[in-house]
Amino acid sequence: QQQVKQSPQSLIVQKGGISIINCAYENTAFDYFPWYQQFPGKGPALLIAIRPDVSEKKEGRFTISFNKSAKQFSLHIMDSQPGDSATYFCAASRSNDYKLSFGAGTTVTVRA
Amino acid sequence: DGGITQSPKYLFRKEGQNVTLSCEQNLNHDAMYWYRQDPGQGLRLIYYSQIVNDFQKGDIAEGYSVSREKKESFPLTVTSAQKNPTAFYLCASSMNVKTEAFFGQGTRLTVV
Repeated sequence: QQQVKQSPQSLIVQKGGISIINCAYENTAFDYFPWYQQFPGKGPALLIAIRPDVSEKKEGRFTISFNKSAKQFSLHIMDSQPGDSATYFCAASRSNDYKLSFGAGTTVTVRA
Repeated sequence: DGGITQSPKYLFRKEGQNVTLSCEQNLNHDAMYWYRQDPGQGLRLIYYSQIVNDFQKGDIAEGYSVSREKKESFPLTVTSAQKNPTAFYLCASSMNVKTEAFFGQGTRLTVV
């Protein structure tokens, strides 16, 4: 079964709007939570990552919020641009484990 | 320049045939991984290797085989035992368990 649940499956946002993607996990041993961005026909690229010792991390227009007690984390894309149109994957792993568990992905479409 | 090279980009295979996907990295990374991507299912781990001459099964290893004879190379063989091999295959590598994974551009395998 999928260890990381991601929603929504897809979303459409107007240019300049905010895109929000949510993920939930069950395994309390997970302590590394990266987000990947993938364009069609390409491999995923690391966008931003967080560890449970912080509740929020911001890099440019991208912010991860982390709620350890709820076992949830989310990606916010501020001031969304057409170039942000891509599929976004959340993932989780343990520090002593090489394996990433991925969510099912969210396809984001930014309309100009 | 450094990175992960997967070849070929597109691959067609007849039913009943084995086929080998290539993955080479010049990042001097110890760990390498193979993931399979299907629409709406995210990425699922097939095999991973932490060091040369050692590898472990991931979540969906049945019908696949790998080898790790050199640090730079981690080829994946899709055997005739894999019942539904048509998919997008992604290779990745990471320095160690605490660092990010870098992905190749993928190989799209189609069984005809």
